[in-house]
Amino acid sequence: EDQVTQSPEALRLQEGESSSLNCSYTVSGLRGLFWYRQDPGKGPEFLFTLYSAGEEKEKERLKATLTKKESFLHITAPKPEDSATYLCAVQWGTDSWGKLQFGAGTQVVVTP
Amino acid sequence: DAGVTQSPTHLIKTRGQHVTLRCSPISGHKSVSWYQQVLGQGPQFIFQYYEKEERGRGNFPDRFSARQFPNYSSELNVNALLLGDSALYLCASSLAGNTIYFGEGSWLTVV
Repeated sequence: EDQVTQSPEALRLQEGESSSLNCSYTVSGLRGLFWYRQDPGKGPEFLFTLYSAGEEKEKERLKATLTKKESFLHITAPKPEDSATYLCAVQWGTDSWGKLQFGAGTQVVVTP
Repeated sequence: DAGVTQSPTHLIKTRGQHVTLRCSPISGHKSVSWYQQVLGQGPQFIFQYYEKEERGRGNFPDRFSARQFPNYSSELNVNALLLGDSALYLCASSLAGNTIYFGEGSWLTVV
């Protein structure tokens, strides 16, 4: 069963066109929700960890928010360098806190 | 400061062979986790080691094994390679699970 679902699968944006990516999850006992950026052929780059509903974190043009069942990654006025695959992952349970369950990612392309 | 370092970066193996992948965590991090990422999918958890002990195992066959050394570096071993083992193998390190950093990965191609 899918525990982490990301939508849309792909997103094409014009430079400056703000949008949001969605990550919904079905695990119980969430410890943390992670967002990563991954460029082609590279490892995931850590962006944020969110821990509780209502929490928000920002970094440059990115803002992540968390509710009880989903998280959003808002990209404000994106630039071409924001083109990447954005991955979300959940960490849950009391054991193996190094284990993350990932979604399939949203591939974002920002055109000039 | 150096991030998570992995070696080799690329390798090609033949079906049935064995492979060893290596990982050095960020200095001070005692937890190392291994993930497999196939094209178009998110990474899948294989193992976590903390203080040299296995703390978690994902849904992978016994052909996959790992260990962590006293200096907290780690090895992932895969025996009897199959074509389906071709993937990007990622190592991640963490101090306490709040922030988990990934290396650039090892690309394994099985032919």
